[in-house]
Amino acid sequence: EADIYQTPRYLVIGTGKKITLECSQTMGHDKMYWYQQDPGMELHLIHYSYGVNSTEKGDLSSESTVSRIRTEHFPLTLESARPSHTSQYLCASSEWGQGRNEKLFFGSGTQLSVL
Amino acid sequence: QKEVEQNSGPLSVPEGAIASLNCTYSDRGSQSFFWYRQYSGKSPELIMSIYSNGDKEDGRFTAQLNKASQYVSLLIRDSQPSDSATYLCAVNRVNAGKSTFGDGTTLTVKP
Repeated sequence: EADIYQTPRYLVIGTGKKITLECSQTMGHDKMYWYQQDPGMELHLIHYSYGVNSTEKGDLSSESTVSRIRTEHFPLTLESARPSHTSQYLCASSEWGQGRNEKLFFGSGTQLSVL
Repeated sequence: QKEVEQNSGPLSVPEGAIASLNCTYSDRGSQSFFWYRQYSGKSPELIMSIYSNGDKEDGRFTAQLNKASQYVSLLIRDSQPSDSATYLCAVNRVNAGKSTFGDGTTLTVKP
């Protein structure tokens, strides 16, 4: 069973608020990812990291930012939330290897609603 | 053209039948291929990975890869209602840094 945790599970906030979505994993994985997914829609990669002090933008333009100060922790921050940010945010991790180890383990997700 | 395309759903099969899910990819440098299952309202979970041409079997699941045709498939034998989910195909290049996902195919297995 994957040991990757996301908090909060659900979040309802007002427009303009700053929020941080937490993601932690205890598997010692180097790589971590944030995906955004609307109901019934495809996964969109918004950020990823190869390891400590590494952050990369994904395929989907996002107004969020991430940091990777510790291997196990990869928080995502929205400085000023808007209704267009309403979505499910999924954190994932994988070993860093020759592609064959890039099996993704996903957290349970954070469902964000911005009013 | 999308980098990873899956057969459009939804797909409906009767219980006990074989469900066939297909995926094509455009990047010939792709070397790792994964199938994830996502139940409604849940996160994706890995069910199969395949790296070499041919078939790979795991219980009722068989992944098939044909790199020449840039095609990967997932067969589910003796389909059960509990197999009803969205199945996501993901493709990696070595050292690409990230997987590329298809849109998913929703499978419904009717009792």
